Amino acid sequence: QVQLVQSGAEVYESGASVKVSCKASGYTFTSYYISWVRQAPGQGLEWMGWISAYNGNTNYAQKVQGRVTMTTDTSTSTGYMELRSLRSDDTAVYYCARVTSFDILTGYYADYWGQGTLVTVSS
Amino acid sequence: DIQMTQSPSSLSASVGDRVTITCRASQSITNYLNWYQQKPGKVPKLLIYAASSLQSGVPSRFSGSGSGTDFTLTISSLQPDDFATYYCQQSHTTPFTFGPGTKVDI
Repeated sequence: QVQLVQSGAEVYESGASVKVSCKASGYTFTSYYISWVRQAPGQGLEWMGWISAYNGNTNYAQKVQGRVTMTTDTSTSTGYMELRSLRSDDTAVYYCARVTSFDILTGYYADYWGQGTLVTVSS
Repeated sequence: DIQMTQSPSSLSASVGDRVTITCRASQSITNYLNWYQQKPGKVPKLLIYAASSLQSGVPSRFSGSGSGTDFTLTISSLQPDDFATYYCQQSHTTPFTFGPGTKVDI
C-alpha cells in the first residue's frame, strides 16, 4: 500500500534551517510529484510547492521562494523540503503529499499524504 | 495567483441533513478543482478530484459539481463521521491555492 512517512517533530531557533524528509513506499516513486503543504496552528492549508520525482523540476510558491529547496533521492524514494532563515510564522505542520502526473481530464491531485511534521520556531 | 473563496466559512448541521459548500475561483480553472476533508489533528483526505470524480473509497453521499469558476461539494445525508473542515484546491495554475476552508459542525 502507498505510504508516505515523514520525519519527526522538532523545535528550532529563529534564523535556523529545517529539512523535513518524506519516505515513500508502495508505488513507483518517479511516476509522481511530491508536493509540500503546510498548516499553521488553527489555520488553513498552504501550498508551498512541488518537485517532480521524475526529473527534479521544482515550482515554489512566491511566499517561500528563495528560502525553500525541495529535492528527491530516487535511490531511497525520499523527498526532502528544506526551509531556511526560519521565523516564528513558519511554525506549522508540514505535510508531504503524492501528486498525480498531469491528465488533461483530471488535472493534478494529491491522493496520499504523509502524517505531517510539526516544526516549531521559537524566538 | 488564482484566489479561491469558499462559502459559508462554517455551518451547523444535523445528521441526515443535505449540506452544500460552495467554492469560487478568481478566474476560470476549467474542472481542475479538488476537495479535501480534514478532521482536527488529522491528515487531509482527498474526496473529489477534477470537480466531480469521487476518489476511490469515498462514500457516494459525497458529490461535486461545477466548472469554470463556480463549484459545489454536496453531502447528501450528513453522517457523524462527516463533521470536519472541507477545503477546495485548484490545480489549474501554480501555485495550487486552497480555499480558506468550511467547517461543518453539529
